[in-house]
Amino acid sequence: GAGVSQSPSNKVTEKGKDVELRCDPISGHTALYWYRQSLGQGLEFLIYFQGNSAPDKSGLPSDRFSAERTGGSVSTLTIQRTQQEDSAVYLCASGTEETQYFGPGTRLLVL
Amino acid sequence: AQSVTQPDIHITVSEGASLELRCNYSYGATPYLFWYVQSPGQGLQLLLKYFSGDTLVQGIKGFEAEFKRSQSSFNLRKPSVHWSDAAEYFCAVGDYGNKLVFGAGTILRVKS
Repeated sequence: GAGVSQSPSNKVTEKGKDVELRCDPISGHTALYWYRQSLGQGLEFLIYFQGNSAPDKSGLPSDRFSAERTGGSVSTLTIQRTQQEDSAVYLCASGTEETQYFGPGTRLLVL
Repeated sequence: AQSVTQPDIHITVSEGASLELRCNYSYGATPYLFWYVQSPGQGLQLLLKYFSGDTLVQGIKGFEAEFKRSQSSFNLRKPSVHWSDAAEYFCAVGDYGNKLVFGAGTILRVKS
């Protein structure tokens, strides 16, 4: 079946602009996660959605980062006023409460 | 706090040789343990996972891993490496329904 999809695959933006990254999880998966992968920091957890529960936002690095999940399915990660240090690959995963399956990621470059 | 250590940043093995990638974790309870593989420009693919039971787990592509509680280790092995195994390998620890904590990764190079 279809895996986790993410769009866009690549995004180049200017410092100070806002960006939106989209994640389409595997159908039926109630859990959805966002991670960031950067050269200096490795793979870092950002935010976790589970069903209708309040999201776990403990990994968001600043208040410029936010995410929502509409209808228990698609999720959007928004970064406001982007900074050069936001350049990274943003990975989305969906899954059961035991196992996470990752999408191909969105490579973000902030100039 | 949970943490994962992959002590080898790079490993080079000859094609056909055996492979062992090391992973040590720190966790207060019985962890869920995972190995993922990432090829250049790709997302993470799950190789195998351990939750409980038999401490030797089999995964895809001929990989296996052994959970050793006394050593807090979950090393990944493969008896005979193929050139297509060249990639970056990540060990991760998590608990039920929660975020994963990843190691820094090990880059595997395969020489012919």
